[in-house]
Amino acid sequence: GQNIDQPTEMTATEGAIVQINCTYQTSGFNGLFWYQQHAGEAPTFLSYNVLDGLEEKGRFSSFLSRSKGYSYLLLKELQMKDSASYFCASGGSYIPTFGRGTSLIVHP
Amino acid sequence: IAGITQAPTSQILAAGRRMTLRCTQDMRHNAMYWYRQDLGLGLRLIHYSNTAGTTGKGEVPDGYSVSRANTDDFPLTLASAVPSQTSVYFCASSELAGATDTQYFGPGTRLTVL
Repeated sequence: GQNIDQPTEMTATEGAIVQINCTYQTSGFNGLFWYQQHAGEAPTFLSYNVLDGLEEKGRFSSFLSRSKGYSYLLLKELQMKDSASYFCASGGSYIPTFGRGTSLIVHP
Repeated sequence: IAGITQAPTSQILAAGRRMTLRCTQDMRHNAMYWYRQDLGLGLRLIHYSNTAGTTGKGEVPDGYSVSRANTDDFPLTLASAVPSQTSVYFCASSELAGATDTQYFGPGTRLTVL
């Protein structure tokens, strides 16, 4: 089965760094995705980790520890446009399962 | 290239009516998915299809049916709509079947059942 947990809401200041955590318990784990969704829009892909370690893409980085069932999304140099919901999703059991999402509010 | 299109954009429907939400992709992706998104509950998988001609049930399949007659189209049907099916519905596709590939989402259909 699948069980994914992430915080419901986070706030941060423009220019700062924020880390959004995600823990998962899955059978047949096949990688961990992060998606971003702005209000009223469709989710869009941010990152995918299948091996342990940190993947960096510009201002965004994603980390995975398979032994701990843990991932995080790190957003640096926050901008107002980063205000959005962020979803982690597990690829376990060949059926994708999404967490409930973290609403990030960036304020000036 | 349009990617994934969904129709209608929004719909208000009387309870008990039948409704089909349309989804078309032009990327020749093998897998397609239907999700519903409700406030505080994230994205929940309704049905999926790993390839044309096959479908499977997701987390919340009751009250919904799908078909996959060809690669491009994956319609979702509500046989007799109920108010609890009021939601935003997203169709998605991925090149590879299974859950190891990036999903690309359509713009969504906002459905209200009264």
